[in-house]
Amino acid sequence: KNQVEQSPQSLIILEGKNCTLQCNYTVSPFSNLRWYKQDTGRGPVSLTIMTFSENTKSNGRYTATLDADTKQSSLHITASQLSDSASYICVVSSWVSGGYNKLIFGAGTRLAVHP
Amino acid sequence: ETGVTQSPTHLIKTRGQQVTLRCSSQSGHNTVSWYQQALGQGPQFIFQYYREEENGRGNFPPRFSGLQFPNYSSELNVNALELDDSALYLCASARGRGQETQYFGPGTRLLVL
Repeated sequence: KNQVEQSPQSLIILEGKNCTLQCNYTVSPFSNLRWYKQDTGRGPVSLTIMTFSENTKSNGRYTATLDADTKQSSLHITASQLSDSASYICVVSSWVSGGYNKLIFGAGTRLAVHP
Repeated sequence: ETGVTQSPTHLIKTRGQQVTLRCSSQSGHNTVSWYQQALGQGPQFIFQYYREEENGRGNFPPRFSGLQFPNYSSELNVNALELDDSALYLCASARGRGQETQYFGPGTRLLVL
């Protein structure tokens, strides 16, 4: 069964600190892996995308890693800001025969950054 | 902002009623996907439309149906509403049905009483 599991479920850090969010997946076939940021009551916004051959990708203070052998990914946030408070969702894409790219979402990690 | 809009933003219905949710895709996008997101959960794939035809479907019953128009905007229809249908409904548009990034709208929050 295609699954994406994220940990921790929630996290509280102080402004300026770093944190790392984890994602484990069992999805086949694998197309790519994305990290999305979702503010409360809003739609998800893509942060990074990685294909099978990529093992790291940065977007400003966000750095994602991918280990395709162990099927694990992480999202590292440096020098956190209050505006980083949101849910971070790991999404694995799988190409389905018949012609569409199916997205399998994790449940997300809810991050709260406190002053 | 992603350029994807949804309406209405909020909606309250009672069990057994029918609801129609609307989505306008980003300019140049011909693919729209719909997702259901229960509180505290990740989005679940409902179905995808590509050039006005259903292109893939998740594990949702037939009372969830959709439509895509020639301008690539889309509707999600849900008949015989149940309490468990209460959720945030997200639509996402993309330039194609491949590995292109999907851009999400802000969602419609549906409450079924």
